[in-house]
Parts: sequence; C-alpha cells; structure tokens
Amino acid sequence: DIVMTQSPDSLAVSLGERATINCKSSQSVLYSSNNKNFLAWYQQKPGQPPKLLIYWASTRESGVPDRFSGSGSGTDFTLTISSLQAEDVAVYYCQQYYSNPPYSFGQGTKLEIK
Amino acid sequence: QVQLVQSGAEVKKPGSSVRVSCKASGGTFNYYIFTWVRQAPGQGLQWMGRIIPILGVTNYAQSFQGRVTFTADKSTSTAYMEVSSLRSEDTAVYYCAEGQDLGMRYWGQGTLVTVSS
Repeated sequence: DIVMTQSPDSLAVSLGERATINCKSSQSVLYSSNNKNFLAWYQQKPGQPPKLLIYWASTRESGVPDRFSGSGSGTDFTLTISSLQAEDVAVYYCQQYYSNPPYSFGQGTKLEIK
Repeated sequence: QVQLVQSGAEVKKPGSSVRVSCKASGGTFNYYIFTWVRQAPGQGLQWMGRIIPILGVTNYAQSFQGRVTFTADKSTSTAYMEVSSLRSEDTAVYYCAEGQDLGMRYWGQGTLVTVSS
C-alpha cells in the first residue's frame, strides 16, 4: 500500500505571505500512460467536510482561488498558497488515488495565522 | 451539481451495528463512485473504501475488511455503509464522497456515530 507523508504537521504563516505544504508518497503516483499524477489536495475547515482544491497534482478545481497551486511529480508534491488569507486557516490533506485501492490520505497539515 | 445527503447522528452500544446512508441527487447514479471516509475526533481522514454501483465493485481498506459493508440502491440513488461489531474506537464522523479520477468533488455533510455503553 502507498503511504502518504505530509510536512510539516503544522504551519503558522503571516497574512499575505506564502504557505507551502509538502506531501511525499512511498511510491510513484505518476501514471505513465497519460502522464498524470493521481494526487489530490483537500482543505478542511472545522465542522465541515473536506473540499477538493487540486486534482492530478496541479489542476485547480473550479471556483478555487488562483492563490492555491499544486506542483510536483512522481513521489514529491507541494501545495502552495501564494498570499495567505484569513479564510485559508484550515487543515490540508493530500491523497493519492493511483491505480488500485487503497487510496490513502496524508496525516494532514494544520495551517494557522502567525 | 451532485448533492450528497447523509443520514443523521447515531448512538450505538458496543457490539452492535450501524448503517449510514448517503442519498445522491443531481447526477447520474450509474456514473457514481462512492468513497467512505472516517474521521475520528481530532484526527485526520481515513480512507475506508469505495463502491462502484454500476460495476458491482467494492474495495475495502484492510483495517475495515470483514467488519464494513458497502451497498447501493439504484432505485433510490442511495449508498449505504454498515459497520458491525462496533467498539469505542469507531466513534467518528463518517463521510461519503463522490468522484475519483478528478478527485472527490462532492461530499456529504458527515454522520457522527458515537459508540458508548
């Protein structure tokens, strides 16, 4: 099974500054037949279900602000928030959905305002 | 726009079973892939498994194998998750979600299951 590891576990960033969250998979999630990385990023605010932000590692979901971006390939991925807003305080999760299940999540990264 | 509405909170005794429903609307049931995700209090997201109703396919995470059953009823566009032999560690919010290759775009509101004697 693929293990997803996020870093850091928590992060405090000043408003307007850049926030960077990393996600590493124990094996590649790049599908060679279509050159897509089967990795998604979710945002979860307290008391709410998760919200899809990014799929295929770098494709922004419709309606997600462009300050959110995803990058990386193979086993190493990054979620970047270019200019942190107060409403971005949340826990962020990466998830791989490569090939056959199980489709594991990272342990989550808690993002706060400094 | 797919909407997923889950059944309400449950309180169960250890050793009993619980069934959570997830009613879908706004899409085509045959195209749905339902995933179930567990979130224990203060913890992260745990992938439990998925059901692809049109194919009759179910996949379970190893930690839930044998104790969790996913079903779906096309006539009511509803997916179900049943957990048996409940223990206190099963106290959690259970989410259904829909989607796969483009990520899980749609989520239910979550169902809190509390296991307590």
